[in-house]
Amino acid sequence: ETGVTQSPTHLIKTRGQQVTLRCSSQSGHNTVSWYQQALGQGPQFIFQYYREEENGRGNFPPRFSGLQFPNYSSELNVNALELDDSALYLCASSRQGGSGELFFGEGSRLTVL
Amino acid sequence: RKEVEQDPGPFNVPEGATVAFNCTYSNSASQSFFWYRQDCRKEPKLLMSVYSSGNEDGRFTAQLNRASQYISLLIRDSKLSDSATYLCVGYSGGGADGLTFGKGTHLIIQP
Repeated sequence: ETGVTQSPTHLIKTRGQQVTLRCSSQSGHNTVSWYQQALGQGPQFIFQYYREEENGRGNFPPRFSGLQFPNYSSELNVNALELDDSALYLCASSRQGGSGELFFGEGSRLTVL
Repeated sequence: RKEVEQDPGPFNVPEGATVAFNCTYSNSASQSFFWYRQDCRKEPKLLMSVYSSGNEDGRFTAQLNRASQYISLLIRDSKLSDSATYLCVGYSGGGADGLTFGKGTHLIIQP
């Protein structure tokens, strides 16, 4: 196991609602990144947090936002949910300046109806 | 545009056989590469890191060809438990922002 934990594991929302997903990083890792993985696709980079600040962002609209806390845990918030937001949301922790290796949590599977 | 391309498969292979699949990349600035294994509806798990010409770990061998810009993964003596999706990832530095994931190759090992 990687030591990265995510919650909730599954959730169902309706269009227009808001969702918050949570992640606790592996001990010793100070960087958290979030990915969206649609069925049959590879993970798509949403953003990365280091020292409680966003430190890199992929091609996602502003309604995708996040936070990192002093203990390096993180939240992903998505506002105004759309049907296409249905996906597996993966949190990954790593060390800043590391080699690029990521350690993923088990993911939060979001279904938007 | 940075891209990592993989044949999605599925590759249907009998147990005990050797299977290989390639991944091509377009970003010549990629410094290193990774193969992740992802089981159905689970998270990706790191299988191998490739920093130079290649890497070998037991039945798994990864080779990097920078001139042709591809990475291969070879699995020898395949097991039923090797059935999974294999994600190829290129890294150009800068943390997670520098990682580009392929869509994955689906491998099915048949008894």
